[in-house]
Amino acid sequence: QQQVKQSPQSLIVQKGGISIINCAYENTAFDYFPWYQQFPGKGPALLIAIRPDVSEKKEGRFTISFNKSAKQFSLHIMDSQPGDSATYFCAPSGESNYQLIWGAGTKLIIKP
Amino acid sequence: GAGVSQSPSNKVTEKGKDVELRCDPISGHTALYWYRQSLGQGLEFLIYFQGNSAPDKSGLPSDRFSAERTGGSVSTLTIQRTQQEDSAVYLCASSSQGDRGQPQHFGDGTRLSIL
Repeated sequence: QQQVKQSPQSLIVQKGGISIINCAYENTAFDYFPWYQQFPGKGPALLIAIRPDVSEKKEGRFTISFNKSAKQFSLHIMDSQPGDSATYFCAPSGESNYQLIWGAGTKLIIKP
Repeated sequence: GAGVSQSPSNKVTEKGKDVELRCDPISGHTALYWYRQSLGQGLEFLIYFQGNSAPDKSGLPSDRFSAERTGGSVSTLTIQRTQQEDSAVYLCASSSQGDRGQPQHFGDGTRLSIL
C-alpha cells in the first residue's frame, strides 16, 4: 500500500521540448502529491505540489496533472531548458501527516 | 542561517569507527527529518522529530544508528561500528510544522564513505 512507482528512470529531451515524468501509487489515502527537484551535490527542493481536489496545477513551465481514478500523477515541463537537467522525485504523503513516500527518481537530461 | 546546514559535507572513515553527522535546521522549524540516499537512488526515511514529541525511529536500519535532537533545534545522527554498506549521502530536512502540506527544506547532505 505504500509503494510508489516512478517512470521513466531516465529521460533525455531536446531543448525546447516537453518532459513528462509519471508517478503511480497504490495507497488511496494519499492526499498530497509533490514533485521535488534535485541537482547534483544538493538536497532536493520542492518544485510543485497538488491536492486531489484539482486535476491540474500550473506554475510557469511546470504542470502537475492528477488522475485520481488511475492513481497516477505526472510532471510536465514545457519548453525544457538545460537548466532543468536534474533528478526529479515524486513523494506523495503517507497515511501519517508527516511522512512522504519517495519514488526512485527520474534523471532528466536536456540536450542543448 | 537561511537554510538547513549539515556538517561535515564529506566524511571518510574506516570500517568499525563511529561517526557523528550534524544538522542545523531552519530557525523556528519544529519538524526535522533524516534520510539516507545511496548513489543514484531515492530517499530512504530514517527518523523524524517533531517538537517535544517522541521521535519516529521506524526507518533506522539497525541499532547501530541513533539520533538525537537537543533543545528542539540541532540534531546529531550517530552511526556506531560503521560498515561499508553505510556509505551514502545522509540528508537532513526541516519543515515548519511537519504537516505534509509544508515543504521539507533540505540541506546539501553529508557524503559518508566507509573504507
